[in-house]
Amino acid sequence: GESVGLHLPTLSVQEGDNSIINCAYSNSASDYFIWYKQESGKGPQFIIDIRSNMDKRQGQRVTVLLNKTVKHLSLQIAATQPGDSAVYFCAENEPGGGNKLTFGTGTQLKVEL
Amino acid sequence: GAGVSQSPSNKVTEKGKDVELRCDPISGHTALYWYRQSLGQGLEFLIYFQGNSAPDKSGLPSDRFSAERTGGSVSTLTIQRTQQEDSAVYLCASSLAAGAPGGEQFFGPGTRLTVL
Repeated sequence: GESVGLHLPTLSVQEGDNSIINCAYSNSASDYFIWYKQESGKGPQFIIDIRSNMDKRQGQRVTVLLNKTVKHLSLQIAATQPGDSAVYFCAENEPGGGNKLTFGTGTQLKVEL
Repeated sequence: GAGVSQSPSNKVTEKGKDVELRCDPISGHTALYWYRQSLGQGLEFLIYFQGNSAPDKSGLPSDRFSAERTGGSVSTLTIQRTQQEDSAVYLCASSLAAGAPGGEQFFGPGTRLTVL
């Protein structure tokens, strides 16, 4: 059968526009969430994190929103640039699991000039 | 070193052979993690080490996979009798602390393993 994992969801945006990448997490008890950016041929790079006692956190050009009611995370990138093109993963930290992370399948962000 | 390093960057092997993948974490980081990333997919946790505690091996897919960490620093992931489904990028990460959320994990560039 088809391997769903080979077809990453893709978000295409124009340079300068804002991007919103969404993620549904699996464990309602997870207490820490992270967004990673992965460029081709490289390891994931930390972007921003948020703890479960918060619903919003802002960084430089990025904002993470957490909705625990529906187990949903989003990453907003303001004024998207060509260098933002990458695959973005959300990850959750399950309580009692040390710092072991469970990753989502990722979203490919393509920035069009 | 400036970051997590892994070697080799690429490894091609024949089915049935054993392979060893190496990870050098950031100096001073007490926690070390191994993940596997298959083509077009997210990362799958394999194993993690925290200081001198027994490692969490809950993510290892079979008994052909093992890992050790010598002297609290360098780690080696060993895959015995490799199978084609073992083909993936193997990523190592380290962090200052584990056991509480917030220890940012820094990833290495990965080792791309291809089993023919």
